[in-house]
Amino acid sequence: QKEVEQNSGPLSVPEGAIASLNCTYSDRGSQSFFWYRQYSGKSPELIMSIYSNGDKEDGRFTAQLNKASQYVSLLIRDSQPSDSATYLCAVTADGDSWGKFQFGAGTQVVVTP
Amino acid sequence: EAQVTQNPRYLITVTGKKLTVTCSQNMNHEYMSWYRQDPGLGLRQIYYSMNVEVTDKGDVPEGYKVSRKEKRNFPLILESPSPNQTSLYFCASSYTGVGYTFGSGTRLTVV
Repeated sequence: QKEVEQNSGPLSVPEGAIASLNCTYSDRGSQSFFWYRQYSGKSPELIMSIYSNGDKEDGRFTAQLNKASQYVSLLIRDSQPSDSATYLCAVTADGDSWGKFQFGAGTQVVVTP
Repeated sequence: EAQVTQNPRYLITVTGKKLTVTCSQNMNHEYMSWYRQDPGLGLRQIYYSMNVEVTDKGDVPEGYKVSRKEKRNFPLILESPSPNQTSLYFCASSYTGVGYTFGSGTRLTVV
């Protein structure tokens, strides 16, 4: 049973619009949450991390976490063609399980000019 | 430059021929990990290590071995590769509380 779920997409977003990506997870012990961006043929690159309920903003990116609903999301404001990539959600627990990351299969985002 | 270096980038081998993919990090990270990435399945963790001589299984450890004799190195060993191990492999490292930094990947083909 897959523990981290993402819509595979592709999510088509007009340039300048907001892209909204969702991720749900099944392990209630998950405490740390990450978003990675992966361009085709490249390795994943960490773009956001979030550990507490609520919103965290970094430039054009906002991560949102709701542990009660087991839901984490990523908003990309003012989307640019360079944002076209696959976005991976990752979760891990704390303590002895830190380091055992679970990844979703990723959402492909296509920003159209 | 802070980085995770894995070699080789590309590898074609035959079934049953033992191989090692090397991984090294220069950031003094405690954690290191190996992932494989397959279309539609995303990144799946093979093994991870919390420190020297301490390793644990990820979700898909069968057919793989690892060792962590030095903090900076974490090689992945396939003692008898099979075609179902054809995949894109990533090594990664991190500090506690911070997300993994990934290497450039190794594309392995087993024929």
